[in-house]
Amino acid sequence: GEDVEQSLFLSVREGDSSVINCTYTDSSSTYLYWYKQEPGAGLQLLTYIFSNMDMKQDQRLTVLLNKKDKHLSLRIADTQTGDSAIYFCAESMRGADGLTFGKGTHLIIQP
Amino acid sequence: SAVISQKPSRDICQRGTSLTIQCQVDSQVTMMFWYRQQPGQSLTLIATANQGSEATYESGFVIDKFPISRPNLTFSTLTVSNMSPEDSSIYLCSARIAGGNNEQFFGPGTRLTVL
Repeated sequence: GEDVEQSLFLSVREGDSSVINCTYTDSSSTYLYWYKQEPGAGLQLLTYIFSNMDMKQDQRLTVLLNKKDKHLSLRIADTQTGDSAIYFCAESMRGADGLTFGKGTHLIIQP
Repeated sequence: SAVISQKPSRDICQRGTSLTIQCQVDSQVTMMFWYRQQPGQSLTLIATANQGSEATYESGFVIDKFPISRPNLTFSTLTVSNMSPEDSSIYLCSARIAGGNNEQFFGPGTRLTVL
């Protein structure tokens, strides 16, 4: 079955870059997503990438996809205190499918 | 993007009762889904809400426990039936927007506590 893995915690200094990693097992995964969840809040779609792409950049966010290794990463440049949240990686095979989520990475910002 | 609203935002319920959660989307929608997020956990897909027909449930979820309706394109309900404390979770509605790029947006969630 499908499985999405993330490390549980990442601690970075304010101003540094954060790199959150995700691996998935289903080679049929077509759509890959990053969501942000702040304490007590819902899920905010940050960005997404299709499997026919290797990279996508959107302001401070860069997504890298290595299909061979089934590895997805989210880089946040110039990390700020407002970036402190849980970041979820998610995937689906088809546009009509629901998503399979990783357990989420808690991003902790040190002053 | 889309605005997805859910009612109620939270509730505290007694064991054995049922709660119906409503989800409304402000845009034309292709797909609607229901997820559960147990305390401190990730999200798990419960079912796909199909317009005019029975929902498609994921393994471990059944219609008798989680009946779902979707009477039109932009509205769906999830009922949590015969609740027990193990049903205490956040329940989230999500939707894919027509004409979009397969982005899936989420509602704010309904925080359910069962005593």
